[in-house]
Amino acid sequence: DIVMTQSPDSLAVSLGERATINCKSSQSVLYSSNNKNYLAWYQQKPGQPPKLLIYWASTRESGVPDRFSGSGSGTDFTLTISSLQAEDVAVYYCQQYYGTPYTFGQGTNLEIK
Amino acid sequence: EVQMVESGGGLVKPGGSLRLSCEASGFSFSNPWMSWVRQAPGKGLEWVGRIKDKTDGGTTDYAAPVKGRFTISRDDSKNILYLQMNSLKSEDTALYYCTTLKIGVGAFDIWGQGTMVTVSS
Repeated sequence: DIVMTQSPDSLAVSLGERATINCKSSQSVLYSSNNKNYLAWYQQKPGQPPKLLIYWASTRESGVPDRFSGSGSGTDFTLTISSLQAEDVAVYYCQQYYGTPYTFGQGTNLEIK
Repeated sequence: EVQMVESGGGLVKPGGSLRLSCEASGFSFSNPWMSWVRQAPGKGLEWVGRIKDKTDGGTTDYAAPVKGRFTISRDDSKNILYLQMNSLKSEDTALYYCTTLKIGVGAFDIWGQGTMVTVSS
């Protein structure tokens, strides 16, 4: 199974500042035949289901604000929120869909400093 | 409006069974692959299993902790996804979400609100 490890577990950032969350996979999730990274990011607010933010490691889902961006390839990935807003307080998960069993990172709890 | 609504959760004794349903609306249900994902209280997300669409064979895959005990099925005529859970254990206690795999991608794009399953004597 591919193990996904996020860092940090929790993060406190001031409003308007940059937030960065890292995700590392135990093996590459880059599929060589199409050069795509099978890596997604989700946002989960309290009492709500997860929401897809980013797929293919860097493609924003429709309707997601452009302050959210994803980067990385192979085994190392980053979710960046360029200017933190109050509504961004949530738990963020990375997930690989390279193959089953699909696996998630443990989550990063993002708070306002 | 695109929507998925889970039902069927509740309190069940260890060793018991439960069938969850997920009724979808607002999109072509027969097209996407579907999954169940669960979240134990205060914990992270755990993939449970997946069912492909009929054109891809309608086959299923399961996470190791549930394989042989859980069965996913779909009724495309009724727009309903099912999760039959047998031999339930206390560690199956969780909020169960149904979700679609984004066509052509594979990430989970549409989620229900979840239904809670509690396994306790």
